[in-house]
Amino acid sequence: NAGVMQNPRHLVRRRGQEARLRCSPMKGHSHVYWYRQLPEEGLKFMVYLQKENIIDESGMPKERFSAEFPKEGPSILRIQQVVRGDSAAYFCASSSQMNAQETQYFGPGTRLLVL
Amino acid sequence: EDKVVQSPLSLVVHEGDTVTLNCSYEVTNFRSLLWYKQEKKAPTFLFMLTSSGIEKKSGRLSSILDKKELFSILNITATQTGDSAIYLCAVPHGSSNTGKLIFGQGTTLQVKP
Repeated sequence: NAGVMQNPRHLVRRRGQEARLRCSPMKGHSHVYWYRQLPEEGLKFMVYLQKENIIDESGMPKERFSAEFPKEGPSILRIQQVVRGDSAAYFCASSSQMNAQETQYFGPGTRLLVL
Repeated sequence: EDKVVQSPLSLVVHEGDTVTLNCSYEVTNFRSLLWYKQEKKAPTFLFMLTSSGIEKKSGRLSSILDKKELFSILNITATQTGDSAIYLCAVPHGSSNTGKLIFGQGTTLQVKP
């Protein structure tokens, strides 16, 4: 049973370009969470999605960031017109249920570097 | 505002030592507390605690929760170099029912040979 998969593992972009980060949840999991880890900081929640629905995007920056979890395929976190401050590790987690008693399992992360 | 604070932020010990990592929290509608170990990649799940005073154990690692004093500790006995990692504590956001996690800053543990 494969764990949470993320790709790419490392991504380098120049300022102004777009970054697309992919996450495939664990088999049987339909709930996906995205977190961002800035250097020297803890993980910060960004967005929570179920299939075809954004449930909670309270941690997403208002501009340039978007997320989706289509019926088929992985969840995508998209960052448009990247800036240096977007450089961070982006982690995806999945769970099989929504409730807070359900453990979230994390992927290996995508490390984004903006030049 | 829900908050998780971990201490110490970093710790250096020698193999064989015992360490205690602390996590205090403030959250409305507490439901659970989770510990993760983060090495170079994915945070890996260690424990979920929901009840006060019941120790959870996995090998040399153990953890306990005190809901009255709003904290948890993670103990590692007979530390090994492979225990070197960032240890993260998290609680589900209190007023949201979506299960999103609020993380502490993490404790960076370095175990020297």
